[in-house]
Amino acid sequence: AQSVTQPDIHITVSEGASLELRCNYSYGATPYLFWYVQSPGQGLQLLLKYFSGDTLVQGIKGFEAEFKRSQSSFNLRKPSVHWSDAAEYFCAVAPYSSASKIIFGSGTRLSIRP
Amino acid sequence: DVKVTQSSRYLVKRTGEKVFLECVQDMDHENMFWYRQDPGLGLRLIYFSYDVKMKEKGDIPEGYSVSREKKERFSLILESASTNQTSMYLCASSLGTSGTVEQYFGPGTRLTVT
Repeated sequence: AQSVTQPDIHITVSEGASLELRCNYSYGATPYLFWYVQSPGQGLQLLLKYFSGDTLVQGIKGFEAEFKRSQSSFNLRKPSVHWSDAAEYFCAVAPYSSASKIIFGSGTRLSIRP
Repeated sequence: DVKVTQSSRYLVKRTGEKVFLECVQDMDHENMFWYRQDPGLGLRLIYFSYDVKMKEKGDIPEGYSVSREKKERFSLILESASTNQTSMYLCASSLGTSGTVEQYFGPGTRLTVT
């Protein structure tokens, strides 16, 4: 069965520091890959997506993610975080065979230290 | 920009009441989804619809039903609300064609059943 693993439940980084959030997926072929962000009490907002092509994907708010097929990973990065980046981040996959349905990871909560 | 709206941000209902949660999208999307989100459990798919009057069960459909009479509107119905249905409910939509499977979310409805 397809699955998405976000191994870090909660991460705290200092404002201005770099950030990397980990995501691993389990699927036989390359799926569609996504990162979403959820601010407290809000819905999810799409940060970026990977379908094919260049394995380094740029998103909104200065985020990027790199697809590594050999590691089945799709880690999210930002070179310098801002206090407004504090939120919960979800990695998600949609298998090509059932692309209408997205499977979400359990989320990583990001806190920013002033 | 895609806009997904949900009828209420906060709702308090009594056990046994019939509850309607409504969702409207303005981008002519084919697919619409209802999720519930609970701490530690992530997002779980309740139902989704890939066309008017068409629906498919998700991972946790028990205790819920849905209605899609118009393309832009997808309703979630709790026939007899119970306290274990206290949760955040998120609606989403997607275009549904190949390469455009990303989902766009509404702001969520926080439902409390007392």
